[in-house]
Amino acid sequence: AQKVTQAQTEISVVEKEDVTLDCVYETRDTTYYLFWYKQPPSGELVFLIRRNSFDEQNEISGRYSWNFQKSTSSFNFTITASQVVDSAVYFCALSERTSGTYKYIFGTGTRLKVLA
Amino acid sequence: DTEVTQTPKHLVMGMTNKKSLKCEQHMGHRAMYWYKQKAKKPPELMFVYSYEKLSINESVPSRFSPECPNSSLLNLHLHALQPEDSALYLCASSQPNGDEQYFGPGTRLTVT
Repeated sequence: AQKVTQAQTEISVVEKEDVTLDCVYETRDTTYYLFWYKQPPSGELVFLIRRNSFDEQNEISGRYSWNFQKSTSSFNFTITASQVVDSAVYFCALSERTSGTYKYIFGTGTRLKVLA
Repeated sequence: DTEVTQTPKHLVMGMTNKKSLKCEQHMGHRAMYWYKQKAKKPPELMFVYSYEKLSINESVPSRFSPECPNSSLLNLHLHALQPEDSALYLCASSQPNGDEQYFGPGTRLTVT
């Protein structure tokens, strides 16, 4: 079965520290997509990044960077120089095709607290 | 425009009431989703519509009834809910190809 594991339940860092959120996934599909979403206290899930299974190029976008490694089934997310506004729950997700329709498997989330 | 709108933002209803949640997107997406999220848990998929047809029902109780009147609108009709149905209900949309989903702000539902 498809599965997404976020082993870190909660992380606290002091502002300006770097922090990495871990995500490990399991899938039998050869073609799949991986995502990171941010959920601030307001509740809305905000899409951050997508990677497909054929694109292992790592990406940096401002203070965010992502490290996708198929060999270890990991898709980790790093925030550099964290800020208080980064405090949120971060979900890793995997899309899988079921009977011709895609559904999305979410990890249990990592709550990040950035302290001033 | 990557906006998904949901109304109402908050809803309090009794167990005998009938109410509806509404969701709208204008991104041309042909897949729309309802999720239920309890506190400190990930979103839990309820329904998927693909090209306006119900394609996935995750064994949701019949007191929840989805409807997709057209490619931009998604409704969730609620009837005879239980207190344990109190949660944040999230709508999302995407292209039906496994691509990223865009979520609405959610409706916080309280069943008394």
